[in-house]
Amino acid sequence: DIQMTQSPSALSASVGDRVAITCQASQDISNCLNWYQQKPGKAPRLLIYDASTLETGVPSRLSGSGSGTDFTLTISSLQPEDIATYFCQQYDSLPLTFGGGTKVEIK
Amino acid sequence: EVQLVESGGGLVQPGGSLRLSCAASGFTFSDYWMNWVRQAPGKGLEWVANIKKDGSEKYYVDSVKGRFTISRDDAQNSVYLQMNTLRVEDTAVYYCARDRVSSGWSMIFDYWGQGILVTVSS
Repeated sequence: DIQMTQSPSALSASVGDRVAITCQASQDISNCLNWYQQKPGKAPRLLIYDASTLETGVPSRLSGSGSGTDFTLTISSLQPEDIATYFCQQYDSLPLTFGGGTKVEIK
Repeated sequence: EVQLVESGGGLVQPGGSLRLSCAASGFTFSDYWMNWVRQAPGKGLEWVANIKKDGSEKYYVDSVKGRFTISRDDAQNSVYLQMNTLRVEDTAVYYCARDRVSSGWSMIFDYWGQGILVTVSS
């Protein structure tokens, strides 16, 4: 199984800050990487697929980059509505696996 | 509007069974692969199973193989998860999720249900 390691597990930043979350795969997954946002008590929401393609309706301050084993989700200017937990997910091979999550809070 | 609504969760004893349902609306259900994903309390996400649009292919995470069965009824626009021989570690919120691509298989989950809690405890 492909292991997905996210870092940090939690972060605290100020409104307007640039925030970066990383996801590392245990083997080369090309660009087969998705990012999801989950707010408390809610279902996850697809943000980015194919490592860098923004899903319809997702604010352009979010972006994804990377390929191979190292990926990054960047929020260019943190907003209060971005408070959530973020998960990466690989789909290079079954079983589909997720990272452990990164909880983003406002300082 | 795409909607996925899970039902059938609840409290069950270890070794027991439960059948989850997910009713879909707002899209042509028969065109899409469907998935079940779970989340243990306070933990991360775990993909559980998926099923091809015609039901001819099904895949499972190792931890549920032989105990869980995914199925679908396109006439009822529903996907199911039959869970047998339940264990304490199966306790989780179970989500059904749609594959993003119609008539294909992307393994990208673009719509999710609200989730249903399954608690396995004596």
